[in-house]
Amino acid sequence: GESVGLHLPTLSVQEGDNSIINCAYSNSASDYFIWYKQESGKGPQFIIDIRSNMDKRQGQRVTVLLNKTVKHLSLQIAATQPGDSAVYFCAERTSGSRLTFGEGTQLTVNP
Amino acid sequence: NAGVMQNPRHLVRRRGQEARLRCSPMKGHSHVYWYRQLPEEGLKFMVYLQKENIIDESGMPKERFSAEFPKEGPSILRIQQVVRGDSAAYFCASSPGGYNTEAFFGQGTRLTVV
Repeated sequence: GESVGLHLPTLSVQEGDNSIINCAYSNSASDYFIWYKQESGKGPQFIIDIRSNMDKRQGQRVTVLLNKTVKHLSLQIAATQPGDSAVYFCAERTSGSRLTFGEGTQLTVNP
Repeated sequence: NAGVMQNPRHLVRRRGQEARLRCSPMKGHSHVYWYRQLPEEGLKFMVYLQKENIIDESGMPKERFSAEFPKEGPSILRIQQVVRGDSAAYFCASSPGGYNTEAFFGQGTRLTVV
């Protein structure tokens, strides 16, 4: 079946450092991926997406890398700030169908 | 352009009562998804709807749960005869549809069954 998993359930970094959050997926037919950020008591917030015909996409302070060979997705956050503390989810979609979410990584930024 | 609106934000029901959760998608969005989230866990897909059609309900429990997205008005997730295990946060997301478009989430409804 389909599954999206994360390598680390928690990640603690120092303010100003770069953060890397990883995600593994098992459905090779997935062709669209999204990273979401969820703060306590709130809904998931879209961060960045990437299509399967790309291997890298950059946003403001964030970069998503896609390695289809090993079915791995990562989110890089540059110069991590306290406001980045949240749970981060990756999600995958197989064409035309619903999003499947991983379990999430709790990112804690220490001042 | 208002985001995805869910109401109520918090809902308390006694065991055996019915819970109705509402979701108004973003303007121009015709696709709605419902997800359930237990504390400290990820989002579990429940159902995917387009206007007047259920596209994928593979994540819906077989009994007591139903969803609709009528031609007019919000999408409704209905839980009959609630049990304590139904206590969770229920999130709705909407998208404009089409190939590989992002989905935007509402703030969720937190259901507590007492």
